Parts: sequence; C-alpha cells; structure tokens
Amino acid sequence: DGGITQSPKYLFRKEGQNVTLSCEQNLNHDAMYWYRQDPGQGLRLIYYSQIVNDFQKGDIAEGYSVSREKKESFPLTVTSAQKNPTAFYLCASRTGVTGELFFGEGSRLTVL
Amino acid sequence: KQEVTQIPAALSVPEGENLVLNCSFTDSAIYNLQWFRQDPGKGLTSLLLIQSSQREQTSGRLNASLDKSSGRSTLYIAASQPGDSATYLCAVETSGSRLTFGEGTQLTVNP
Repeated sequence: DGGITQSPKYLFRKEGQNVTLSCEQNLNHDAMYWYRQDPGQGLRLIYYSQIVNDFQKGDIAEGYSVSREKKESFPLTVTSAQKNPTAFYLCASRTGVTGELFFGEGSRLTVL
Repeated sequence: KQEVTQIPAALSVPEGENLVLNCSFTDSAIYNLQWFRQDPGKGLTSLLLIQSSQREQTSGRLNASLDKSSGRSTLYIAASQPGDSATYLCAVETSGSRLTFGEGTQLTVNP
C-alpha cells in the first residue's frame, strides 16, 4: 500500500531533550512538508523540501531542524530550543509544486 | 498575507440533510484550493483539489466550488451520514509552495 508513515505515533519528552520524528513515503513524491497543529490555530508550516538535499524554512522553523538525504524520508528534529514543543505534528507529501497534498497519520509529542 | 476563514466553526445536522461548508480567503491570487477531512487524533485526508482555472470538482456526494474573484469556496455534502462526522479544513495555495489552512468546521451528523 502506498502512503506516508509517521513514527512514533505518541512520544513523551523531558525538557531539554531533542527528539526526532520520522516520516517515510513510498509515493515517489518529490515534495515533503512538516506541519504543526495546535488547538484553535490551524496547521502551521515548519519546513518543506521540494527535492533531495534541499529544504526551506516555513513560518515557524525556530527550534526545529530537518534533513532530506533520501527522496522517501524527511525526518524532523524538535530541539531543546523549541519553547513550546507539545503539539500534533503532521508530515505531508505531493508530486509537483501544485499537486494534491497527502498526509500521514501524525505524531503527538508531549513534553513532561 | 493570505488569511483563510471557515464559518461556522461547528455544525450539527440530522442524518440525510444536505449541507454547505464555507471557506473564504483574502488574497485571490491562488494556485489552487484543497478540501480535507480530519477525524479526531488522525491525519488529514484529501477530499477535493480545485485548480485556480476550475470552478468546481465533484467526488461522490461531495461537490466543491471555487469563486476566486470573491475569495470563496463551498463544500456541498449531499445526503449526510453519521460517518461524515469529522472536521473539514480548506487550504489555499499561493506563491512559494505555501498552503494556508483554515481552522476547520467541526461537523456532527446525528442519526
């Protein structure tokens, strides 16, 4: 089955720790995205990548980092510099620059 | 800066009713508009994508329209069912591969 796999589904972190969220897609999509969803705020773009070995900051990139070493993988690291990391994180991908966007099932991060 | 508004924030209807969800945006220079469905604790599922040159798209009981000049889109759901209960989000794409999302309309269809 083609799709986008995010892991882990739930993650708990102590303050001061970095954590990495995984996103893998087997749709052969060029572009991949990371969004953050908070109650009452809609989705906000963290980072996106349109080709391998290239990525751009979104609207709320501070405290996050990404890499795009393979076409199918786009991991997101939430660093200790992110002041309010507790949120629902969504990975998405699509082919082309204006195509239909597909999402993974999300990862919920809670900072204890 | 593009702003997307969805009204109402929540809607409750009896099963079988036809309904319309609204999405408005401030900048009409868009590439496309996409409607999504989100179930609690889940990711977003794409429903319909309307390119800027199109006026509407249909999929089963769903019909989405786009009026760029007025900055509006509607999602029409025919013969609603309890399984349609979810949050519906619209997203507008402008330049730079950026999508701007609305906050969604939470729909409840009562049996």
